[in-house]
Amino acid sequence: GQQLNQSPQSMFIQEGEDVSMNCTSSSIFNTWLWYKQEPGEGPVLLIALYKAGELTSNGRLTAQFGITRKDSFLNISASIPSDVGIYFCAGSYSGGGADGLTFGKGTHLIIQP
Amino acid sequence: EAGVAQSPRYKIIEKRQSVAFWCNPISGHATLYWYQQILGQGPKLLIQFQNNGVVDDSQLPKDRFSAERLKGVDSTLKIQPAKLEDSAVYLCASSRVGDTQYFGPGTRLTVL
Repeated sequence: GQQLNQSPQSMFIQEGEDVSMNCTSSSIFNTWLWYKQEPGEGPVLLIALYKAGELTSNGRLTAQFGITRKDSFLNISASIPSDVGIYFCAGSYSGGGADGLTFGKGTHLIIQP
Repeated sequence: EAGVAQSPRYKIIEKRQSVAFWCNPISGHATLYWYQQILGQGPKLLIQFQNNGVVDDSQLPKDRFSAERLKGVDSTLKIQPAKLEDSAVYLCASSRVGDTQYFGPGTRLTVL
């Protein structure tokens, strides 16, 4: 099955730095979602985007739905230790994100002391 | 509100053995999904149910995998016989119809 192209694969940053990651697809999606997964847990929804061009924030997180509907990015400002984890983008062909999701391979965020 | 429950959390079996995973979705969620997550990759959809009917099972390896949701609530995913490449985390998710998905903690399967 198709997987999204997510980059970077991993990031090593200092606490307090801003983080940016993105996701691209050869297909058009009607919903883009960003999840975070920690060891031994399932993915947790961070932000859902439903409209091309939409820019949505959730605290220090900001995500955008690309106008071509083939890409999305996630920014994290002023990173803190609890931001460590794997971030996944996911696309859905349905408007509400309720059909089976197509996931990227993840961006592993590591914060150096 | 209780989250998606899955059991067991860990399972180790030998190849050619059978294994079953159980999922209890969030109360009121009509849609249930099973995903397979191989180490280093994102989850991949195996099957989607709405109530007790299958919506999408196009990526389910039907020669060895089966799933059921008999009463439209709990679901069971079975692998028979297991292969080495089935080693993965099996995630269950649920949603209200047309709404976003919430994931359980997963079952980590190791096939030796």
